[in-house]
Amino acid sequence: NAGVMQNPRHLVRRRGQEARLRCSPMKGHSHVYWYRQLPEEGLKFMVYLQKENIIDESGMPKERFSAEFPKEGPSILRIQQVVRGDSAAYFCASSREAGSPLHFGNGTRLTVT
Amino acid sequence: GQQVMQIPQYQHVQEGEDFTTYCNSSTTLSNIQWYKQRPGGHPVFLIQLVKSGEVKKQKRLTFQFGEAKKNSSLHITATQTTDVGTYFCGREMAGANSKLTFGKGITLSVRP
Repeated sequence: NAGVMQNPRHLVRRRGQEARLRCSPMKGHSHVYWYRQLPEEGLKFMVYLQKENIIDESGMPKERFSAEFPKEGPSILRIQQVVRGDSAAYFCASSREAGSPLHFGNGTRLTVT
Repeated sequence: GQQVMQIPQYQHVQEGEDFTTYCNSSTTLSNIQWYKQRPGGHPVFLIQLVKSGEVKKQKRLTFQFGEAKKNSSLHITATQTTDVGTYFCGREMAGANSKLTFGKGITLSVRP
């Protein structure tokens, strides 16, 4: 009974490169959420997706960030032309239905050098 | 905004002491969820409270939802070093989208 799987666990990118973060939700879960966490800060909501649909992206920066959850395959959070300020832990969570508890993955720690 | 407030951000206790923290909102909440994140780990769901005045217990942890559904508390009896971590409360935003937004969390350290 695999939980939420995120990869990679650690990702190092140089400024200007692209970062792709992957998230496979728990089996039977069709709701996916992405959060960003800076050191000693809380979890900041980024985007909420269901299969093939973006439900709420109010927490996503308007530029350089995009997310998808295709019919087949994992959810992808994509950051283009990364800058140092993008360095953070990115957590994906999934739930069986709207409003039910979230199950978090181990996160991807992105470092931009 | 419609965030939940968790103050203070850090608390230090002696092992064996009790610990209480609060989560406050300026607006009525439909429900509240609590999560715990160990250092270097990921958030883990603890409990969800839905009814006004609801009290739920998990071993030494007691969770309460206020009568007005605007605040919630977490009480830990006789803290242990395994209680170390950051405790977040999360609220569901009003409207059709059920995204969960979190307070900044309270980081608990326990002196052995």
